[in-house]
Amino acid sequence: NAGVTQTPKFQVLKTGQSMTLQCAQDMNHNSMYWYRQDPGMGLRLIYYSASEGTTDKGEVPNGYNVSRLNKREFSLRLESAAPSQTSVYFCASSETGGGNGYTFGSGTRLTVV
Amino acid sequence: QKEVEQNSGPLSVPEGAIASLNCTYSDRGSQSFFWYRQYSGKSPELIMFIYSNGDKEDGRFTAQLNKASQYVSLLIRDSQPSDSATYLCAVSSGNTGKLIFGQGTTLQVKP
Repeated sequence: NAGVTQTPKFQVLKTGQSMTLQCAQDMNHNSMYWYRQDPGMGLRLIYYSASEGTTDKGEVPNGYNVSRLNKREFSLRLESAAPSQTSVYFCASSETGGGNGYTFGSGTRLTVV
Repeated sequence: QKEVEQNSGPLSVPEGAIASLNCTYSDRGSQSFFWYRQYSGKSPELIMFIYSNGDKEDGRFTAQLNKASQYVSLLIRDSQPSDSATYLCAVSSGNTGKLIFGQGTTLQVKP
């Protein structure tokens, strides 16, 4: 049982480059989330998808776009990477409403130079 | 004022002692409360969740919730060096499933 799978695990981008972070879950969860984690800032919500076909902005959406491709997959795209987007990105999923908490992926460590 | 606040620590306790981790939140409408443990370089993993005022126990862990004081805590009994990690408090309100996380408290358990 893989849970939540994120790819890639590490990535270095040059300023202005684009990339897509992939996330897939096999727990039949309706809700999926993208967070970033920075030292001293905790986990901050970028975008979330409460159910297939819906996406909404979180606390720090600027510079990102998302796609809920199907119930399993939720991708995060950086169109023009900036050094301020250097961070660790976590995807998570939960049952509808998040009542029993999240299952997190292993994270993507992104450096923008 | 941050929505979910935790003392960043580090909190240092000797092996076998009780570790007490605290969290306050600002939204009185918050309904669900979670504690996650995160080892360095790893992803957060859920330890416990609590919805109702009072205590909830699971093995060596006890979560305590006081909605009137907007306060939630995690007690770890018989602390072990393997408990050394960052503990994240998270709070949810409404039915969107969105969680607001605190900055986390680093716990060090010394042998």
